[in-house]
Amino acid sequence: EVQLVQSGAEVRKPGESLTISCKTSGYWFSSYWIAWVRQRPGKGPEWMGIIYPGDSDSRYSPSFQGHVTISVDKSISSTFLQWSSLQVSDTAMYFCATGVAANRGSFDYWGQGTLVTVSS
Amino acid sequence: SYELTQPPSLSVSPGQTARITCSGDALPKKYAFWYQQKSGQAPVLVISEDNKRPSGIPERFSGSSSGTKATLTISGAQVEDEADYYCYSTDSSGNVWVFGGGTKLTVL
Repeated sequence: EVQLVQSGAEVRKPGESLTISCKTSGYWFSSYWIAWVRQRPGKGPEWMGIIYPGDSDSRYSPSFQGHVTISVDKSISSTFLQWSSLQVSDTAMYFCATGVAANRGSFDYWGQGTLVTVSS
Repeated sequence: SYELTQPPSLSVSPGQTARITCSGDALPKKYAFWYQQKSGQAPVLVISEDNKRPSGIPERFSGSSSGTKATLTISGAQVEDEADYYCYSTDSSGNVWVFGGGTKLTVL
């Protein structure tokens, strides 16, 4: 059974750094692209970017390029989303998602989401 | 930046057909995907590649695409289909993916 388990809710102040994680199981981690999706309160999902764990090839939405970093650690079948300087506007739920054709639009599996709150 | 446009809301009675549209300039050459999201839950894929229904999705869900418009059809909508529906596709380059603004479906 494929599972994506995300790290717990976080509260940070503006300007602080943060890394959240998504641990996968039930499939060969290196074989599926895995994406991160932001969802602000009351708004629709936004595709942030995607990474291929096999070679760490990554692509970012222009809206997020330079503001976040997506990475993987194959040894623990996990992907990470990192901020070096959070903004209040980063307050949102963040999901990781994957599937056989994740880089072609099909997210068959999702994490449960990580709520990030940025407030002074 | 590329955009997919959906109507913000749609209301139907149980048993009626709900049709949710998604417009985008690249849709003539790019597939549309549809995700259902119920309150407090992660999205669920209900239609892939314009008209393919993943395993476990009821037959009442179908999809089609013509020109710059893709359509999700729920034939005989049920109360449990009440949710937000988002189309998802890529721009002409294939490198940037976007979700539509979402359509809130009410079934009552």
